[in-house]
Amino acid sequence: QSALTQPASVSGSPGQSITISCTGTSSDVGGYKYVSWFQQHPGKAPKLMIYEVSSRPSGVSYRFSGSKSGNTASLTISGLQAEDEGDYYCTSYASTSTWVFGGGTKLSV
Amino acid sequence: QVQLVESGGGVVQPGRSLRLSCAASGFIFSGHAMHWVRQAPGKGLEWVAFISYDGRDERYADSVKGRFTISRDNSKNALSLQMDSLRPEDTALYYCARDLSTRYTMDVWGQGTTVTVSS
Repeated sequence: QSALTQPASVSGSPGQSITISCTGTSSDVGGYKYVSWFQQHPGKAPKLMIYEVSSRPSGVSYRFSGSKSGNTASLTISGLQAEDEGDYYCTSYASTSTWVFGGGTKLSV
Repeated sequence: QVQLVESGGGVVQPGRSLRLSCAASGFIFSGHAMHWVRQAPGKGLEWVAFISYDGRDERYADSVKGRFTISRDNSKNALSLQMDSLRPEDTALYYCARDLSTRYTMDVWGQGTTVTVSS
């Protein structure tokens, strides 16, 4: 159950696009379509932003999109806004029938 | 509205036990699997445990296996986490989260309850 690998931090200017990567193995990210992304603001609970690699829950902005290639999943945020600033975590279902999270990425806008 | 409220956190000495609870409302609790996820101070999220909608399937992270037990009472819309043989590294904010059925992820989260393991 090793954590998925995410960059510690990314930054972008308002209006720009950024991408956060999430690298695992064939036993988790590469082996399943069950990759999700969460946004967390300071002192708040995580919020589901993307599930099943690229699906958006109701109410999540179209500016958030997800994809996957091999053992690496990605979250792209387009048209960056100040409110997007926060921590982002990926998670994947794994072959051990458990879940594994990434270490988290701090987004600065 | 859909809501999860955790309770039971506190300060406990190493080796002792603590039981966390999570009260669910606003949805059909018995129709959803549930998770516990924790976050150590200043650290990232760590998945802890899962229980199926009917309680028959339990899964645990290696870090807590054999020490923690997840359970549920569908008649009371309640989820629990019994934590035994606590260690300082178990210190964290513990969240309960609803499983998004068949999607293998968590779609609703509580605000968490804090557990501190210290002598």
